[in-house]
Amino acid sequence: NAGVMQNPRHLVRRRGQEARLRCSPMKGHSHVYWYRQLPEEGLKFMVYLQKENIIDESGMPKERFSAEFPKEGPSILRIQQVVRGDSAAYFCASSPLSLAGAVTDTQYFGPGTRLTVL
Amino acid sequence: QQQVKQSPQSLIVQKGGISIINCAYENTAFDYFPWYQQFPGKGPALLIAIRPDVSEKKEGRFTISFNKSAKQFSLHIMDSQPGDSATYFCAASTTGSQGNLIFGKGTKLSVKP
Repeated sequence: NAGVMQNPRHLVRRRGQEARLRCSPMKGHSHVYWYRQLPEEGLKFMVYLQKENIIDESGMPKERFSAEFPKEGPSILRIQQVVRGDSAAYFCASSPLSLAGAVTDTQYFGPGTRLTVL
Repeated sequence: QQQVKQSPQSLIVQKGGISIINCAYENTAFDYFPWYQQFPGKGPALLIAIRPDVSEKKEGRFTISFNKSAKQFSLHIMDSQPGDSATYFCAASTTGSQGNLIFGKGTKLSVKP
């Protein structure tokens, strides 16, 4: 059973370019979370999505950042017009549903995408 | 209110010793407290988790102690090994909320042979 997959693992962009980060949750998981980790810091929540639905984007910067989780395909975190301060590791996590159909607390993380903005 | 404070920032332990990492929180609505282990260049891996209805949970060499009244919880690693050298993060969340985890800033553990 493959874990959470993220690609690319490393991404280099110049200031002003767009960055697209992809996340495929574990098989059977329909809930995805994105977190950002700055060097020597803990992870900070950005956005929580279900298929075709944004549940909570309270941690997402208001401008330049967007996320989606379409019915088919991976979840995408998109950063437009990147700046040096966007350089960080971006992690995706997914959660299964319980037998009762509610999302569980347990989150499984992918290996991350390390974004470097030159 | 939403913070989770973790200490120490770094920890050096001799092989075979006990590693202890502490976390404190303010939000009494938190009811799920996981610990994650992260190796350099990797994603966090769930190590062990606890809910407030128990005061201790043990899995192998890893134990979580939970003090609800003090709003503190800690990770104990018994018989620490060089392979345990990693960064450890505590986190907290509220069941039924949007579910996002609030992470501590991490503890870098180094186990010396």
